[in-house]
Amino acid sequence: EVQLVESGGGLVQPGRSLRLSCAASGFTFDDYAMHWVRQAPGKGLEWVSGISWNSGSIGYADSVKGRFTISRDNAKNSLYLQMNSLRAEDTALYYCAKDSSRWLLPVFDYWGQGTLVTVSS
Amino acid sequence: EIVMTQSPATLSVSPGERATLSCRASQSVSSNLAWYQQKPGQAPRLLIYGASTRATGIPARFSGSGSGTEFTLTISSLQSEDFAVYYCQQYNNWPPGRYTFGQGTKLEIK
Repeated sequence: EVQLVESGGGLVQPGRSLRLSCAASGFTFDDYAMHWVRQAPGKGLEWVSGISWNSGSIGYADSVKGRFTISRDNAKNSLYLQMNSLRAEDTALYYCAKDSSRWLLPVFDYWGQGTLVTVSS
Repeated sequence: EIVMTQSPATLSVSPGERATLSCRASQSVSSNLAWYQQKPGQAPRLLIYGASTRATGIPARFSGSGSGTEFTLTISSLQSEDFAVYYCQQYNNWPPGRYTFGQGTKLEIK
């Protein structure tokens, strides 16, 4: 059974940093691209960032480019999102999502339950 | 950025009836279109990809159609568990970084 478990969310002040993690199990992690998708409270879905199976292809939404960094450790079956210079508009539930492909062909076939990030003073 | 527009924002349908949800892209995305279902307090679930291919385990009452800029998700006979929010998402853009979702259609019980 595919499982994606996010962690690292919490309350943080504007301008500070936070690092999210996603622990994956139930599939061959290094065979698939992975993504972060977020959902602000009561709002729709927004793709944040994605990384290919070998970290050779990475993409970011314009809204986070230059502030967020995605990475993965295939030996640990883990995905990460380093979030710097956080803003109030980054407040959201952050989902880890598995791609159906090795490359960034973002059809998200499995999702975690999300970790909540709240940016507020 | 490709803008995805879903209509209607809310759709009221009775159980057993057919529901038709629309999604329009601001420019062609070919068949690079997926549909997701999200119930309150849950993560989204993939229903359809490639505009018309059902994901693993998705019942046959869900079907997708369209290409280019106009897409439709049809639920042929609504079950109680189908009342949820539905999102379309395009994945046509290159370079990476332009994958956009529609704003969602809430399917509610009439």
